[in-house]
Amino acid sequence: AQSVTQLDSQVPVFEEAPVELRCNYSSSVSVYLFWYVQYPNQGLQLLLKYLSGSTLVKGINGFEAEFNKSQTSFHLRKPSVHISDTAEYFCALAGGTSYGKLTFGQGTILTVHP
Amino acid sequence: GAGVSQSPRYKVAKRGQDVALRCDPISGHVSLFWYQQALGQGPEFLTYFQNEAQLDKSGLPSDRFFAERPEGSVSTLKIQRTQQEDSAVYLCASSPLAGTYEQYFGPGTRLTVT
Repeated sequence: AQSVTQLDSQVPVFEEAPVELRCNYSSSVSVYLFWYVQYPNQGLQLLLKYLSGSTLVKGINGFEAEFNKSQTSFHLRKPSVHISDTAEYFCALAGGTSYGKLTFGQGTILTVHP
Repeated sequence: GAGVSQSPRYKVAKRGQDVALRCDPISGHVSLFWYQQALGQGPEFLTYFQNEAQLDKSGLPSDRFFAERPEGSVSTLKIQRTQQEDSAVYLCASSPLAGTYEQYFGPGTRLTVT
């Protein structure tokens, strides 16, 4: 069985401060890892993905994540957040199927305060 | 080009009623996924289509849930005899090729069963 754990349900942060959203996973097979963002009343938008290669992955809107196989983690980081980054963030993995079925974490609500 | 669209965006059903939720994927996309997102949770996989073939329905919670994609494009998720526990946002996602691991999500249909 596969699972994704997002360690923080809510993360408040001030504008221009750095932020890290934590994600750990469990799987008996090789995995591909993703971060999605969900703005209110909108669908999920892909921020970044790790499929292979460099363990440091850069995505849209200045976000990056690092795949750490030994710690089974894929934490999301941004050095300086904006008000517009306020949203819910989901970590997800795909593995064990050829077609990319996703297993999601429970989400982290990032709130950026002025 | 247009993204994934879903209709209706909101649906209120009385317990015991049947509902049908529609998904229009991005034109030409081979793969189509349905996910269920309960309040405060991450999305959970329901079913997967490759063209018109339903290759995985392991996530459907009961035999009251049925999905189809008869011509390999539009898909319908049908829920018979709705129960309160069916209240959730139902998300549809499409992907251009099987195994490309990049899914494009629609805005979802919020189903409330009263």
